[in-house]
Amino acid sequence: SQTIHQWPATLVQPVGSPLSLECTVEGTSNPNLYWYRQAAGRGLQLLFYSVGIGQISSEVPQNLSASRPQDRQFILSSKKLLLSDSGFYLCAWGDNNEKLFFGSGTQLSVL
Amino acid sequence: KQEVTQIPAALSVPEGENLVLNCSFTDSAIYNLQWFRQDPGKGLTSLLLIQSSQREQTSGRLNASLDKSSGRSTLYIAASQPGDSATYLCAPDTGTASKLTFGTGTRLQVTL
Repeated sequence: SQTIHQWPATLVQPVGSPLSLECTVEGTSNPNLYWYRQAAGRGLQLLFYSVGIGQISSEVPQNLSASRPQDRQFILSSKKLLLSDSGFYLCAWGDNNEKLFFGSGTQLSVL
Repeated sequence: KQEVTQIPAALSVPEGENLVLNCSFTDSAIYNLQWFRQDPGKGLTSLLLIQSSQREQTSGRLNASLDKSSGRSTLYIAASQPGDSATYLCAPDTGTASKLTFGTGTRLQVTL
């Protein structure tokens, strides 16, 4: 069966520090991969999606970047975090039936 | 740009009651619509997916309907239980690669 791993679960980082969140999927090949952010009191916002290795599409201009170095690995990064980057970050993968399956999320607090 | 509205924002019902959650979206050109459940501080769990050609989908005590032309979907929960307490999110898919647009959700509390 397919599983999705996302870590860390919580992260507290100072403003200006770098960020790296990792997501890996098991039990499927060539999945579509997604990064969403959920800010307090707001709906989930799609940040990046990837349909294959090295293929990244950005949905909104921001201080973040994404990379897909391997088929089942999706990484969210920042060189210098801003206060506004705080939020709940969710990784997801999509199957052939167009369903999305989410990881357990990372709560990022930038102080 | 797709916009999704969910009403009510919060709902508290006694155990055993049937309830309906509402979702409306502005762009009716959707491929499908999904309903998710989110427990506090957790990821999302997919509940139901309705294709644009379908009118409804059922899973256990859950029934989701879709009126694509009017931009509306409802999630019906029968015989609610305390374990149903969570935030429910609807998300229509209007693009390729399953790019979903989420509403802010309905926070449901089922009391004993």
